[in-house]
Amino acid sequence: GAGVSQSPSNKVTEKGKDVELRCDPISGHTALYWYRQSLGQGLEFLIYFQGNSAPDKSGLPSDRFSAERTGGSVSTLTIQRTQQEDSAVYLCASSLGGSRGNTIYFGEGSWLTVV
Amino acid sequence: SQQGEEDPQALSIQEGENATMNCSYKTSINNLQWYRQNSGRGLVHLILIRSNEREKHSGRLRVTLDTSKKSSSLLITASRAADTASYFCATEVTGFQKLVFGTGTRLLVSP
Repeated sequence: GAGVSQSPSNKVTEKGKDVELRCDPISGHTALYWYRQSLGQGLEFLIYFQGNSAPDKSGLPSDRFSAERTGGSVSTLTIQRTQQEDSAVYLCASSLGGSRGNTIYFGEGSWLTVV
Repeated sequence: SQQGEEDPQALSIQEGENATMNCSYKTSINNLQWYRQNSGRGLVHLILIRSNEREKHSGRLRVTLDTSKKSSSLLITASRAADTASYFCATEVTGFQKLVFGTGTRLLVSP
């Protein structure tokens, strides 16, 4: 597609429920990133994919968070047993990957509210 | 943890004035990038400066990088109300592929 597409754009869920957030990167981009941004804060790195593998999962805050990427394209971030502190905007980004200094393109984000 | 700290946290100026934002970071980097974010949603890439570069220009934007001080600055000249946004620096840390973002500067440009 023309840009990074994320869905849903907004999600309200009850505490304890599981949620899935989807990211469709720019076609041909091998690198995919998930970040989290709480209200008024900077971006917190969650996970990075190169192709289908995730060489860096260091930012996942707990074992309730997981992510996968299939076919080197679409990625899903899953949050199990959601907590109120999980409320944030979840931003996905993609880049050509490989060499250094590639521009990273962001989606519009998925705003998650846990009530 | 955050790699970059930005200063000031908030900046309020009049149209036509220049806006300067500073970013400090902690470790060795491959490059430093500046992004803009409107209304807390998607980020837009503005400019990238590599670790062996000292200054770069793009339109009304001027970025400097001082690797000895581990700092960078973003200058927006002749600011416009449409420049109102949050601005983030992000570093590509040596040995890692990911970008690590700073805390951001909220810029308000009044007509």
